Amino acid sequence: GQNIDQPTEMTATEGAIVQINCTYQTSGFNGLFWYQQHAGEAPTFLSYNVLDGLEEKGRFSSFLSRSKGYSYLLLKELQMKDSASYLCAVRDRDYKLSFGAGTTVTVRA
Amino acid sequence: IAGITQAPTSQILAAGRRMTLRCTQDMRHNAMYWYRQDLGLGLRLIHYSNTAGTTGKGEVPDGYSVSRANTDDFPLTLASAVPSQTSVYFCASSETTGGYNEQFFGPGTRLTVL
Repeated sequence: GQNIDQPTEMTATEGAIVQINCTYQTSGFNGLFWYQQHAGEAPTFLSYNVLDGLEEKGRFSSFLSRSKGYSYLLLKELQMKDSASYLCAVRDRDYKLSFGAGTTVTVRA
Repeated sequence: IAGITQAPTSQILAAGRRMTLRCTQDMRHNAMYWYRQDLGLGLRLIHYSNTAGTTGKGEVPDGYSVSRANTDDFPLTLASAVPSQTSVYFCASSETTGGYNEQFFGPGTRLTVL
């Protein structure tokens, strides 16, 4: 199985940058995903990392270090609509996803 | 294009009753999944299907069963509902299981078992 840890809550100001950390322990690794989930809605895909390094997609970037079992999601130029939960998910050797409990980000004006 | 649909949107169910949650996708994805989401626990995999005709158990399969008779449909059945099965249930699909294949999620079913 997987053990995935991420902070429960974070608060930031509109226009600022927030970094959400995720650490994991896994018996096999086949990629790490970040999802965004607004309250009462379904998760939607944000990013995928399978090799070490940074993946950038507009205002969102995701970083992976496989040797450290560590990833972060960086949200830049925060907007009010970025208030949501952000889910870190690790895919194991059997290609099944295990999710962290999620980090609720609140963006304040 | 609808993507993934789930029915019902919400349901209140008496304990001991049988219930089937429906999930249909129109993306011709091979793999489909059922998750439950509970506060503080995140999404947990119940059952999955890598391709039509095959199914497998996830992290929390007890009390649930699935079938995959065709590519599009993946129903989840609670044979005899218990209050601990109160949760939000999400169905998801992906083109295949590996590679750069993210999972697409349905809108969810909110189930309350009394």
